[in-house]
This record gives sequence, structure tokens and C-alpha cells, in this order.
Amino acid sequence: SQQGEEDPQALSIQEGENATMNCSYKTSINNLQWYRQNSGRGLVHLILIRSNEREKHSGRLRVTLDTSKKSSSLLITASRAADTASYFCATGLGGYYKLTFGKGTLLTVNP
Amino acid sequence: EAQVTQNPRYLITVTGKKLTVTCSQNMNHEYMSWYRQDPGLGLRQIYYSMNVEVTDKGDVPEGYKVSRKEKRNFPLILESPSPNQTSLYFCASRGTGGNTEAFFGQGTRLTVV
Repeated sequence: SQQGEEDPQALSIQEGENATMNCSYKTSINNLQWYRQNSGRGLVHLILIRSNEREKHSGRLRVTLDTSKKSSSLLITASRAADTASYFCATGLGGYYKLTFGKGTLLTVNP
Repeated sequence: EAQVTQNPRYLITVTGKKLTVTCSQNMNHEYMSWYRQDPGLGLRQIYYSMNVEVTDKGDVPEGYKVSRKEKRNFPLILESPSPNQTSLYFCASRGTGGNTEAFFGQGTRLTVV
């Protein structure tokens, strides 16, 4: 069953603009992770935020987590054409190793 | 280099012909899993393994088998493939502890005709 749901399903922006993607989930989590997938290829881990953290940065990425609203956002600043990909959030539950993925946001960055 | 290797990358087969998709990781991870990815449905977990000889069903296990005889290998077996198993398959591994990232293979695009 799907735990996380990304919003929007698709996002098209111009190079240099910021891109914001959101993820909502249903149950308590241990951590939330964001992954990137280039067309038809394997997922690549971007960033992990623990349930006791509110914000995390990595390069041009900024992730926030609001456990009271059961939601997270991924901000990509100064986007580039190479950022074009699908972005997935995944939630980890308690002591279990399973990651449950959302359906993803397809980001298109136009040159 | 840390990696998860799947083979083959592409496979076209006929209904009912048994096939195996191999997965190997070089990170000594305990946890491995298989996902399938379909348009509009995202990634769904098929089977997972907590360690050698320990496997369990994920969300969509019907029509699949797995084995974990060695820590590094986690093959996915389709005993009698059907067209509804046409999909993009991913193997992933994670280390111990809940706050670890998953490493994914490059995927196997399977077509069953």
C-alpha cells in the first residue's frame, strides 16, 4: 500500500527557477527520504530526514518535515536542465527496514 | 564502488517460460528487496529479505519467488510469467538500522508476450 503521495504529479519550470515538491504520508514514521530517478533508470538517494528533524540541506536541496501535518517538501533551488527527473519520497516505519514509496513527481526543467 | 547489480537489463520472454532475474550487492547489506514499477502505480514491493535464509512477502508477491542463500545475492524468480508481469523491476539493498538509505540496481525491463 502507498504510504507517501507526492504533489504535484508533474511540474514544468524554466532553468534557474526553484522547484518545490510535496509529500504527504499517513502514519508515524522513523524517517523520510527523497530519491531521484532519471527516465527508466534506478533510483538514487538524495537526502534523508529523521522524524526529529525539521529541516535539512544538501547542496541545492532543502528538505523540510512537518510531522504534525505528516508532510514533507523538497526544494531544488536554481534548477538546471539536468535536474529533469522523477522525484520520489519514501517513508521508513519504526524499526522496520521497509521503505514505502509514493508515485513520484515528474520534474521538467526547460533550458 | 558500492553498487547493486541486476541482470539482465532487458528481457523479452513468452508466457509460462520460467525466468530468473539476478541481483547482487557488494556492500554487505542485510536487507534486500525487489520492487516493480508500473505507470501510475509507482514502486511496489514484491519481496524482501532481512538476512540469509530470511525472506517475506511484500505488497504484490503473487507470481514471484525469491531466495537468499548468500548475503550478496537475491534473485527474483518468475516460475510461470504472465503478461501482467510486464514491468520495470528494481532490486535494492539497505544496511542495518532504520535510518539508512537504499541503493538501487539499474533496473530490469521485462516484457512477457
